[in-house]
Amino acid sequence: KAGVTQTPRYLIKTRGQQVTLSCSPISGHRSVSWYQQTPGQGLQFLFEYFSETQRNKGNFPGRFSGRQFSNSRSEMNVSTLELGDSALYLCASSLAFSRGGYEQYFGPGTRLTVT
Amino acid sequence: DQQVKQNSPSLSVQEGRISILNCDYTNSMFDYFLWYKKYPAEGPTFLISISSIKDKNEDGRFTVFLNKSAKHLSLHIVPSQPGDSAVYFCAASVEGNFGNEKLTFGTGTRLTIIP
Repeated sequence: KAGVTQTPRYLIKTRGQQVTLSCSPISGHRSVSWYQQTPGQGLQFLFEYFSETQRNKGNFPGRFSGRQFSNSRSEMNVSTLELGDSALYLCASSLAFSRGGYEQYFGPGTRLTVT
Repeated sequence: DQQVKQNSPSLSVQEGRISILNCDYTNSMFDYFLWYKKYPAEGPTFLISISSIKDKNEDGRFTVFLNKSAKHLSLHIVPSQPGDSAVYFCAASVEGNFGNEKLTFGTGTRLTIIP
């Protein structure tokens, strides 16, 4: 079974621009979560989508947004990029509902560099 | 505030010996705890989890211990192998309306196994 795929793998943008990252979950997985990884902060939860609806949201500004399509693929958008947005953005997919202890399957991430 | 803390950014262990990675948390509502392992240029992969109603869970060379009164968990790897060299993330979650989708991660511990 194919894993979670993320495109592109690397991106370089300048301050003020916007960026869109894409994530394709494992076949059959309907929940997609996004995380930001920065040195010293670990992985921080951005948001989670299920059936095209955002079910959970982390503590990030409104410049960070996302959406999910009917085929469960998800996109994440960051507008008005800031230097501090440079990070590894990870997408994870999972089954629709799990009462704890389940694992999320992560993609390899998109490395975003803002200059 | 950092609800999940991994106070040791790095750890070096001789091959064949025991590796012990530690994690502390502050939110007493967490009901599931997980460990993930991450190699460079790859997404985190699930290792092992434990429910808050248990104090130990074992899977092969990996054992996770949970001390709820101390709000502390640890991952033991015995015996340590060179392939275990990676960054290890501790994560925790609270069951919400849709399960345990939102994971709160620690900042990670880089484990190096010395041959």
